Amino acid sequence: GQNIDQPTEMTATEGAIVQINCTYQTSGFNGLFWYQQHAGEAPTFLSYNVLDGLEEKGRFSSFLSRSKGYSYLLLKELQMKDSASYLCAVRDLGQGDSGGYQKVTFGTGTKLQVIP
Amino acid sequence: ETGVTQSPTHLIKTRGQQVTLRCSSQSGHNTVSWYQQALGQGPQFIFQYYREEENGRGNFPPRFSGLQFPNYSSELNVNALELDDSALYLCASSRPFAQPREQFFGPGTRLTVL
Repeated sequence: GQNIDQPTEMTATEGAIVQINCTYQTSGFNGLFWYQQHAGEAPTFLSYNVLDGLEEKGRFSSFLSRSKGYSYLLLKELQMKDSASYLCAVRDLGQGDSGGYQKVTFGTGTKLQVIP
Repeated sequence: ETGVTQSPTHLIKTRGQQVTLRCSSQSGHNTVSWYQQALGQGPQFIFQYYREEENGRGNFPPRFSGLQFPNYSSELNVNALELDDSALYLCASSRPFAQPREQFFGPGTRLTVL
């Protein structure tokens, strides 16, 4: 099975930097995703890590350490519109890529509030 | 917008009834996954369909079932509804062998069971 932990809530100031951590335990790791979900809306894809290291995409960066079962999402130059829940999700090897199967397990999400 | 559509948007049912939710995947995506998201929680994986067959399932009872059609659209059926089934139901489509194989979510169906 899988276990994913991330903080429930965070507050940060507009223009600042915030780091949202995620730790996971899995029997077969095959990639980690970060999604953003605004209240009442569907999750939208932010980033993907399968190898150790940092992936940067504009104001968003995501880091992965497979040996530590740890990832973080870094948001720079925070804007009010960044207020949302941020979901860490781990893909399991499961049956591998046979038949296109992928089981993705989501954490409970971190609700980020950006204040002026 | 992701190109994934779901219907209906909202639905109210009573305990014991049955419900069918529908999803049209993004063009070219032949894999559809269904998730249940309770308030304040992350999405919980129900099952996945690939080429019209279920090829993965989470910890949900058999009264949760589904179908995928030749055009890759999909249905989620829930029988004998319980109060705890009240949640947002999300479908997500993806291309099976693309990288990073991110999932594209539809807007969801909000189900309320009374």
